[in-house]
Formats: sequence, C-alpha cells, structure tokens
Amino acid sequence: GESVGLHLPTLSVQEGDNSIINCAYSNSASDYFIWYKQESGKGPQFIIDIRSNMDKRQGQRVTVLLNKTVKHLSLQIAATQPGDSAVYFCAENMGNQGGKLIFGQGTELSVKP
Amino acid sequence: ETGVTQSPTHLIKTRGQQVTLRCSSQSGHNTVSWYQQALGQGPQFIFQYYREEENGRGNFPPRFSGLQFPNYSSELNVNALELDDSALYLCASSPRTGAREQYFGPGTRLTVT
Repeated sequence: GESVGLHLPTLSVQEGDNSIINCAYSNSASDYFIWYKQESGKGPQFIIDIRSNMDKRQGQRVTVLLNKTVKHLSLQIAATQPGDSAVYFCAENMGNQGGKLIFGQGTELSVKP
Repeated sequence: ETGVTQSPTHLIKTRGQQVTLRCSSQSGHNTVSWYQQALGQGPQFIFQYYREEENGRGNFPPRFSGLQFPNYSSELNVNALELDDSALYLCASSPRTGAREQYFGPGTRLTVT
C-alpha cells in the first residue's frame, strides 16, 4: 500500500554540525514531496518542498534532495542549531487526490550544545 | 492574517461516548483536511472538506464524520469512541483543494479512557 517511511527514528548531532534526515517512499504518483517540522505540543510546520520533476531545492539553511530512481528523499540542515530540535516528517502531496498528505513515521532530531 | 485554530486543546472522553472537535481555517482558505496522529507516528489523513462537501477520505470508519460551514470552518465528529481513538487530531487548511500549501493548527489532544 501507500507508505512513506524513514530510515532512522532518532538523530543526535552537535550544534553547528550538518544534519541529514532520510526518507523512503513507495508511491510514485505524488506531485510534491514535503518536509515538515513538528515541535512538542504543536502542529507540523512546513519547512521546504520539492516538485516531483526536480532533484534538488535549497532554502535557508535547508536543502532537499529527491532521487526518484531509488524513491529516496533527504533533508539537509546546515549548521544545526538547538532550535532545530524537533521531529521531522517527510510527506507526499497527492495533488490528484485533493492534496492529501501521506506522512512517514518521523525522525526525532536532537541538537546537543 | 489569522492562522489555523483548533478547539478544544485537550479533551478526555470515555469509551463509547461521542466527541466534536472544531477547526477555524486560515483566512481565505476554503479547504480543510483532518488528520489523526497517534503517539510516535506520522499524521494519517482522515478526510478533506472543500466548499462544504467531503472531498476525499482516508481509511477511517464511518463513525468518523465531518462538516464544513459556509465560513469554511469545520468540525470532526467521532461516535462510539474506542481506546485506539486516543490521538492528536490535526486540522490543516489550504487555499484550494489540491494545493501544495497546507497550514496546520496546533491540534486537539483526545484521550479516551
């Protein structure tokens, strides 16, 4: 069935290091792949997305890479800060299904000062 | 611009009872989607409402139902509550169905005892 999964449930990094969070997906029919950040007690917050016909997209301190050949998505965070500590979810936006989002399980990022 | 709001913040119900959760969409958004997020899991799509009509549904039983009002606010109703319904219920609004931009509210934490 449809699924978006994550390789690692937890990731611990030192402040200032770069972080890489990975995600595998199984459905090839999505329009966009999206990364969300969820802090404790809050709803998911949009970080960055990438259209399915792109390989790479950069934002402020974040880069998303999409490898459609192996159905793999990654989020790179440069110079990780304590405020980056949260759970990160990848999700597929099924535009042809009204924009339904299919989320993965999530990776908890912990930044050590 | 007003963000997505949800009420109540927390709720405790007994198995077999019924519950109604509410969501006010972001200004200018006519589409509302509801998600269930179990502890430690990614959000799961319940259904979407667009212009007061259900526009897509996930794998949830009929005891999960909803409404959307002319002002685009929405309700999620769950009948015959089960212990497994304990979760964070998230509402997301978007400017139109199929849009890549979806903005989440803080969620309602439902506990069923």
